[in-house]
Amino acid sequence: DTGVSQNPRHKITKRGQNVTFRCDPISEHNRLYWYRQTLGQGPEFLTYFQNEAQLEKSRLLSDRFSAERPKGSFSTLEIQRTEQGDSAMYLCASSPAATIYGYTFGSGTRLTVV
Amino acid sequence: DAKTTQPPSMDCAEGRAANLPCNHSTISGNEYVYWYRQIHSQGPQYIIHGLKNNETNEMASLIITEDRKSSTLILPHATLRDTAVYYCIVRDSGYALNFGKGTSLLVTP
Repeated sequence: DTGVSQNPRHKITKRGQNVTFRCDPISEHNRLYWYRQTLGQGPEFLTYFQNEAQLEKSRLLSDRFSAERPKGSFSTLEIQRTEQGDSAMYLCASSPAATIYGYTFGSGTRLTVV
Repeated sequence: DAKTTQPPSMDCAEGRAANLPCNHSTISGNEYVYWYRQIHSQGPQYIIHGLKNNETNEMASLIITEDRKSSTLILPHATLRDTAVYYCIVRDSGYALNFGKGTSLLVTP
């Protein structure tokens, strides 16, 4: 399967703990995106990488959030000191550079903060 | 990117065509219309996109009005597996997709 892979699929954590999610994009795609989706809403853009460079961050990405994409391959999204409001589905997508075609999304990581 | 308006929900009988409308009256000349869908508990799936001309692929057809202010996604023979939330998105060459709330399509037996 050459799709976008996200791990873990589900994560339950206690408030105040740190969590990290991983995204493995399609290997030939050099653009990678993170989105967040809360219940009943469409996905919201968080951040975007071209290769290893993080080129844009949404205002939704507070200073408790950090994303990396070392060597332009997989990416990680870390949330520090989690809050109940961080409970959501975190989606990763990838695309070739400068494409007008659609993005390929992973199945997401469902985070529940208790 | 221009804003889109979609009905919150629609029903369709299995085997019939599902026609999902989208209004994007403020679309600009270099903005494309994209459609994605999201089946419950999965990530969004790209369906089709277009600029001015009507487009067709193995999943669906996209009809864009001549003034480009609205479009319709057509699933020619809906199946139960087409039950999903369908998102109409307008964007230029930028990277962020503005999903909105989409249309929840229910295909019934």
